[in-house]
Amino acid sequence: NAGVTQTPKFRVLKTGQSMTLLCAQDMNHEYMYWYRQDPGMGLRLIHYSVGEGTTAKGEVPDGYNVSRLKKQNFLLGLESAAPSQTSVYFCASSYLGGGKTQYFGPGTRLLVL
Amino acid sequence: KNEVEQSPQNLTAQEGEFITINCSYSVGISALHWLQQHPGGGIVSLFMLSSGKKKHGRLIATINIQEKHSSLHITASHPRDSAVYICANAGGTSYGKLTFGQGTILTVHP
Repeated sequence: NAGVTQTPKFRVLKTGQSMTLLCAQDMNHEYMYWYRQDPGMGLRLIHYSVGEGTTAKGEVPDGYNVSRLKKQNFLLGLESAAPSQTSVYFCASSYLGGGKTQYFGPGTRLLVL
Repeated sequence: KNEVEQSPQNLTAQEGEFITINCSYSVGISALHWLQQHPGGGIVSLFMLSSGKKKHGRLIATINIQEKHSSLHITASHPRDSAVYICANAGGTSYGKLTFGQGTILTVHP
């Protein structure tokens, strides 16, 4: 039982490049979330999903797209990376929404030059 | 707007001391979460509460719904408790959309 895993752990991009971050969970959780963590800003919600095939915007969705084609996977895409997207990205999942424990992945450190 | 404020931002203690971290929030909750982030970066959920008090080992979390305030207490602190402690409010929604405080950096010296 791996819990929540994230791929890759670290990536360096040049401005304008694209990439996809993968989050996978093996706990059969319905809800999945993408957060970013920046110094002085704390964690902020980018996008979330309440089930397979559904996605919704969070607090800071601009510049990101997401997909949830399979229940266990939640993908975060950057179509044209910008230096402002340099951050640590965390994925989390929970069995249900509000009032349920969220399980976090180990994080992906992204540097955009 | 759902806002979450933590205090203090930084806390230094000697091993064995009793520690309190405070969290105030502006919007009524479905659940208030306390999280721990280790120096390596991993985030672990410590507590989730919507009323009263919860205890796990040396950690105690309390919440006062009327005052929109929660506290995290650590009894008999130990250097291994050194971490960032984060509170987060799921607001009144059922989607678990968390709004986070800035975090409290705790350092416990032996």
